Amino acid sequence: KAGVTQTPRYLIKTRGQQVTLSCSPISGHRSVSWYQQTPGQGLQFLFEYFSETQRNKGNFPGRFSGRQFSNSRSEMNVSTLELGDSALYLCASSFGGSGANEKLFFGSGTQLSVL
Amino acid sequence: AQKVTQAQTEISVVEKEDVTLDCVYETRDTTYYLFWYKQPPSGELVFLIRRNSFDEQNEISGRYSWNFQKSTSSFNFTITASQVVDSAVYFCALSEARGSGNQFYFGTGTSLTVIP
Repeated sequence: KAGVTQTPRYLIKTRGQQVTLSCSPISGHRSVSWYQQTPGQGLQFLFEYFSETQRNKGNFPGRFSGRQFSNSRSEMNVSTLELGDSALYLCASSFGGSGANEKLFFGSGTQLSVL
Repeated sequence: AQKVTQAQTEISVVEKEDVTLDCVYETRDTTYYLFWYKQPPSGELVFLIRRNSFDEQNEISGRYSWNFQKSTSSFNFTITASQVVDSAVYFCALSEARGSGNQFYFGTGTSLTVIP
């Protein structure tokens, strides 16, 4: 069974540009969550999509957006990049059931560097 | 305020030593889950354990053990006879039910280095 796949693995952009990251969840998983990881800050929750709808959202500016397709694949977009957006962006998938017991399965992340 | 606190930012131990990683959480929910994940240099977080709020039994899995104490809101992780392969960043996480799904809160991680 294939794991969570994130592309690309590395990205280098300049300030002001926009970027799109992609995540393919484990087959059968309907929930995809995105996290930003920076040194000292740990994992910060961006948003979660379930059945093509945003179900939960973290405290990030509107420059960060996402979407989910009918096959559960998800994309995350960051517009007008800032230096502080440099981070490892992790995608996690799960079945998406109700309750707090859902286990997250993570991809290897996309390392974004903004110059 | 942080819902999950991992006070130890970095720990270094010599191989074969025991090491305990601390995790303190904060929640008002009566039903919640606690997790530990391991992040090796490859970047992918690997699931280690899940524990629900009603099960305070300690758990042992090989060289790994977990001590869950609701009275102190702690869920500590001990590695016995550490090995170089244990070097990684370890994250503690709290999951609460929210709407039709759940919300994860991660600590800032503890970077463990095992010196051969």
